[in-house]
Amino acid sequence: RKEVEQDPGPFNVPEGATVAFNCTYSNSASQSFFWYRQDCRKEPKLLMSVYSSGNEDGRFTAQLNRASQYISLLIRDSKLSDSATYLCVVLPNTGNQFYFGTGTSLTVIP
Amino acid sequence: GAVVSQHPSRVICKSGTSVKIECRSLDFQATTMFWYRQFPKQSLMLMATSNEGSKATYEQGVEKDKFLINHASLTLSTLTVTSAHPEDSSFYICSARGYGQGIQETQYFGPGTRLLVL
Repeated sequence: RKEVEQDPGPFNVPEGATVAFNCTYSNSASQSFFWYRQDCRKEPKLLMSVYSSGNEDGRFTAQLNRASQYISLLIRDSKLSDSATYLCVVLPNTGNQFYFGTGTSLTVIP
Repeated sequence: GAVVSQHPSRVICKSGTSVKIECRSLDFQATTMFWYRQFPKQSLMLMATSNEGSKATYEQGVEKDKFLINHASLTLSTLTVTSAHPEDSSFYICSARGYGQGIQETQYFGPGTRLLVL
């Protein structure tokens, strides 16, 4: 079983739509969780961390469910500029390795 | 804060030559750096984990004699692709693990290096 699993999509949504991505992780001892965004032919960039209490940054909301071992990212009022691949990243509580999901592709359509 | 640079951004070379890529953390110290490779429309693939002052840890299937990694200081790691061949053409991305120093503990990526081997 993979450490981190994501639905690869693609998700094609109209402008203004709300879209949600989920990600599951296998190591229950994982301590830190992140969402990254990767644009085509660019490097991944940190979008936001994910906390147990849930956190919001503008149109983006991230949530963590430790009991079910999944992380979600909600994007409200989608913009064309939100089109990218969104990567779920998990850091276990031991060791150096970060585990990346394969990414979910989002295209926002005019 | 937490900026990582990578040089060169793009390189074209002949088959059989060696190519060196530098990864620097500009405003923080990184005891751990990571090297990834990404082929078009595919996921990031971790090649190796580099710890300052010690040997790199390579992922299964990655040849350590082919991809030489040196992490001589807390702000610099280098990847040398030795005797490059066309199948080594890819997007190579480094990242540095930030910790303390007023930044979030996560990976910060360099802008990547596009390698084309003719």
